[in-house]
Amino acid sequence: QSALAQPASVSGSPGQSITISCTGTSSDVGSHDHVSWYQQYPGKAPKLMIYDVSNRPSGISNRFSGSKSGNTASLTISGLQAEDEADYYCCSYRSTYTLIFGGGTKLTVL
Amino acid sequence: EVQLVESGGGLVKPGGSLRLSCVVSGVAFDNYTMNWVRQAPGKGLEWISSISSGSTYKYYASSVKGRFTISRDNARTSVYLEMNSLRDEDTAVYYCARDFTRLGYWGRGTLVTVSS
Repeated sequence: QSALAQPASVSGSPGQSITISCTGTSSDVGSHDHVSWYQQYPGKAPKLMIYDVSNRPSGISNRFSGSKSGNTASLTISGLQAEDEADYYCCSYRSTYTLIFGGGTKLTVL
Repeated sequence: EVQLVESGGGLVKPGGSLRLSCVVSGVAFDNYTMNWVRQAPGKGLEWISSISSGSTYKYYASSVKGRFTISRDNARTSVYLEMNSLRDEDTAVYYCARDFTRLGYWGRGTLVTVSS
């Protein structure tokens, strides 16, 4: 099972916006709206930031937003803050009742 | 307070077996699919298995199919992962997580090390 494709790293300055892409196939991202995004700090458990492409769980800042076009989903973080520096993973439902994660993106706040 | 607490990890030789447990408290359990997700040292997340609320449906990643077995006990609000024929590449932190397409609650993980 090949992972969804994410850039290994992205960076931005405080206050800026960044976007992390997540590219899959017509069997996962392209055919389902069950795309989610997770934030993970070193040594900690992942945290759900976005589900079903663009929905935020209760308590998640509206600086985080998600979208999808074709086989590519995106996570945008606006008004970048130092505390946003973490690893981010996308995840998609894949046909035949499996989940597939992206390889992860390390976000650096300059 | 919501808690998902994994246990059962440790050091095991290649070919050996381990049974992981995850006890859930402070949040609904019975009506939700439960999952195991692992993360090898310095690597990304990998979904490996899920089980439906009533245990009717069980799904596995190809990397563990035939070697790992997921189960649950709703009375004990617990989910388990029986791991057999362990390989070096199974070394990872194993997390349990609730729900399927939105993994909203995670445990802190338990480390499994497969080494001779």
